[in-house]
Amino acid sequence: GESVGLHLPTLSVQEGDNSIINCAYSNSASDYFIWYKQESGKGPQFIIDIRSNMDKRQGQRVTVLLNKTVKHLSLQIAATQPGDSAVYFCAEIGEYGNKLVFGAGTILRVKS
Amino acid sequence: EAQVTQNPRYLITVTGKKLTVTCSQNMNHEYMSWYRQDPGLGLRQIYYSMNVEVTDKGDVPEGYKVSRKEKRNFPLILESPSPNQTSLYFCATPRVPHYEQYFGPGTRLTVT
Repeated sequence: GESVGLHLPTLSVQEGDNSIINCAYSNSASDYFIWYKQESGKGPQFIIDIRSNMDKRQGQRVTVLLNKTVKHLSLQIAATQPGDSAVYFCAEIGEYGNKLVFGAGTILRVKS
Repeated sequence: EAQVTQNPRYLITVTGKKLTVTCSQNMNHEYMSWYRQDPGLGLRQIYYSMNVEVTDKGDVPEGYKVSRKEKRNFPLILESPSPNQTSLYFCATPRVPHYEQYFGPGTRLTVT
């Protein structure tokens, strides 16, 4: 597999449990945030997004929470499955709205 | 099917030998980007293009060139590759800048 996961924080969860992946962002003026999933050997894949005027957004089995006070973003995955094993990145729109700024990522490992 | 394709997927080359990594999208998007991904780091933007014949530097443009002669293609050119350009490269295009980026499958480049 790809070596992009070296030195990244790792979250190990049991299949069926809920997962919470956290991300701290840097720019208090950021307006838009995205979570991506990257499986071994593949490009990042969009999961869910949220705008700064929201605190919470739900998708299918995933929920993103935004706490602008402490500049914190989290991704909750319900009933985690082996197929959820991947590296997860948060991204924010940059200061001048002209690019995405990516976090380093978190490895999620699901134990069967 | 919406698709971003990259070629080659894997490339091993020697220092100084010019190479081109191609990227093509079939979504008629105006905006395209190149990123590199290194172990423990998030994706970093190399170059981007807002439309045909309009390109600009991202965060790590040194040692790279791009061109955008037609909307669907955005090749990445390394005129004189060096070992520090050994990395995993992704082409991406959003439905609307900079939202919901569609990523290509990646090109693993090794420069010896």
